[in-house]
Formats: sequence, C-alpha cells, structure tokens
Amino acid sequence: SQTIHQWPATLVQPVGSPLSLECTVEGTSNPNLYWYRQAAGRGLQLLFYSVGIGQISSEVPQNLSASRPQDRQFILSSKKLLLSDSGFYLCAWSVRYSGNTIYFGEGSWLTVV
Amino acid sequence: AQTVTQSQPEMSVQEAETVTLSCTYDTSESDYYLFWYKQPPSRQMILVIRQEAYKQQNATENRFSVNFQKAAKSFSLKISDSQLGDAAMYFCAAPGETSGSRLTFGEGTQLTVNP
Repeated sequence: SQTIHQWPATLVQPVGSPLSLECTVEGTSNPNLYWYRQAAGRGLQLLFYSVGIGQISSEVPQNLSASRPQDRQFILSSKKLLLSDSGFYLCAWSVRYSGNTIYFGEGSWLTVV
Repeated sequence: AQTVTQSQPEMSVQEAETVTLSCTYDTSESDYYLFWYKQPPSRQMILVIRQEAYKQQNATENRFSVNFQKAAKSFSLKISDSQLGDAAMYFCAAPGETSGSRLTFGEGTQLTVNP
C-alpha cells in the first residue's frame, strides 16, 4: 500500500531563518506531488505541484520554493521566512491519470516568530 | 475568484441524526471528479467520498452519500446516523474554473455532533 511521510511535524523558526520541509511517498512510482498551506480555520491553498523529477509548477508567488530531487521526494524551502509564512503545511500525492484523488501527509505546523 | 463554495461555515447535528453539507463549484471541465475530505482535530486530511461526474448515480460509502446535481454544479454530502467521531472540518474539492486546472478546495464546514 502507498504511504506518505512528512517531517518535521512541528517547527518554530525565527523571522529571516531558512526552512526545509520534506516529504516522501512509498509504494508508488511517478506520483504527482503537491504542497498545500492551510491558514488557521481556512481552506487549503495549493503552493506547488510536480509531475516529475525537477518539474515544479508554482501556483502562488511567494518567498517559498519547492524541489523534487527524486521521484518520490518533495521538499519545501525558504531562504528567509516571513511572519506570514506561519501555517499548517500539507504534502500530498496522487496517482497520475486516475481522477486526481489526492492523499495527504500528516502535515507540518510552522510558527514563525 | 473562489470556484468552490461551501456556504455553511458551521453546522451541528444530534448524534444518530442526519446532516447535509452543501457545496457548489464552477468548472469548464466536462469529465471530472469531485471529492469530500474530512479533517478531524488531528489535522490529517482524510478522503470521505469521491464522485465521478460522468456517472449519474450518486456515490455512497457506508453512512456517507452525495447528492450530485451536475447541471446545477452542486455536490452535497449527507451523513446519516451521525456519530461523535464525525465531528470535524469537511472540505469539498473540485476542479478549478479552467480546463486542466488543479483541484480547488472550499473553505470548509465545521461539523459539531452533539451527544
């Protein structure tokens, strides 16, 4: 069966510090990968998605970036965090060409102080 | 512009009763899928049910069913025999306005189940 792992689960970072959130998927090949952000009490905002190694599409301009160095690895980064980057970040995957059912990781709480 | 609308920020239901959560969407796609996800306090996003737009029959998963009205672009979730464990934030998800756009999520409906 397929599983998705994301870490760290909780992160408190000062303004201006770097960020790295990592996500890996097991049990499938060539998945579509996604990073979403959820502000408190709100819906999900798609930040990045990837259909293959090195192929990243950005949905929202921001100071975050994403990379996919391996088929089942997706990394969310920032060189300098802003207070507005605080939120709940969710990594997700879907099988390509199967109706876009998206499966989510456990999420990472980021608090920028 | 928001293309997936959940008009009920909060809903409550008595245990064992039935509740319906509303969702409308706007897409130019002709063949697509619609989803309801549940987010309990743990924040884990859990797939509840999926509807294929080209199927006229409404999807059903145990106590969860949908009322899909394609022409009206409406996709409501009915929870029967509500249980305390159903308490969560529920998100509707649908394709965006334009062809090929990514799945878009509504703002969510917070469901409270009263004992």
